[in-house]
Amino acid sequence: DAGVTQSPTHLIKTRGQQVTLRCSPKSGHDTVSWYQQALGQGPQFIFQYYEEEERQRGNFPDRFSGHQFPNYSSELNVNALLLGDSALYLCASSLAPTILAKNIQYFGAGTRLSVL
Amino acid sequence: DAKTTQPPSMDCAEGRAANLPCNHSTISGNEYVYWYRQIHSQGPQYIIHGLKNNETNEMASLIITEDRKSSTLILPHATLRDTAVYYCIVRVADNFNKFYFGSGTKLNVKP
Repeated sequence: DAGVTQSPTHLIKTRGQQVTLRCSPKSGHDTVSWYQQALGQGPQFIFQYYEEEERQRGNFPDRFSGHQFPNYSSELNVNALLLGDSALYLCASSLAPTILAKNIQYFGAGTRLSVL
Repeated sequence: DAKTTQPPSMDCAEGRAANLPCNHSTISGNEYVYWYRQIHSQGPQYIIHGLKNNETNEMASLIITEDRKSSTLILPHATLRDTAVYYCIVRVADNFNKFYFGSGTKLNVKP
């Protein structure tokens, strides 16, 4: 059973460019959340997708956008890249949003984005 | 948005118990405590979670104080592979499964 997979593993871009990161959730999961982790800090919530819609959003500008496909996989798009966007981008999958405590999030290994 | 406070780093001798504290003094009645760990530049790994009762699984034990304002993660026999950053997270039991991570505790297990 494959866990959460992300691609690519590493990416180098220049300021002003656009980037797309991809995530395939764990088998059986239909909800995908994206996090940004700057060096030496904890992950910060970007947004969550369920039923192909953005359900929750953290404190990130509109340059960050996403999409979820019918097979539950997801993309994170970042436009007009800034140097400060350099970070590890993590995808986490879980079951449909629920109050149940057993709804554990499983994380992928992340995509390391470097903006030069 | 982080609702937890953890020491930035701790040391533990290999084979000994590692006790990682977490303060969550503003926790509400419907909020759970989760623990994850992150080994260098990998994705966070789930360890354990609880609401108000102590919990134990094959990886660790979670002790939550009666007033629920703090908790301790216990790794009973730490190994070098347990060296990682440990995050204590409070999650609101709503219909959105998002986590607020703090800065975590870097646990250094030494031989």
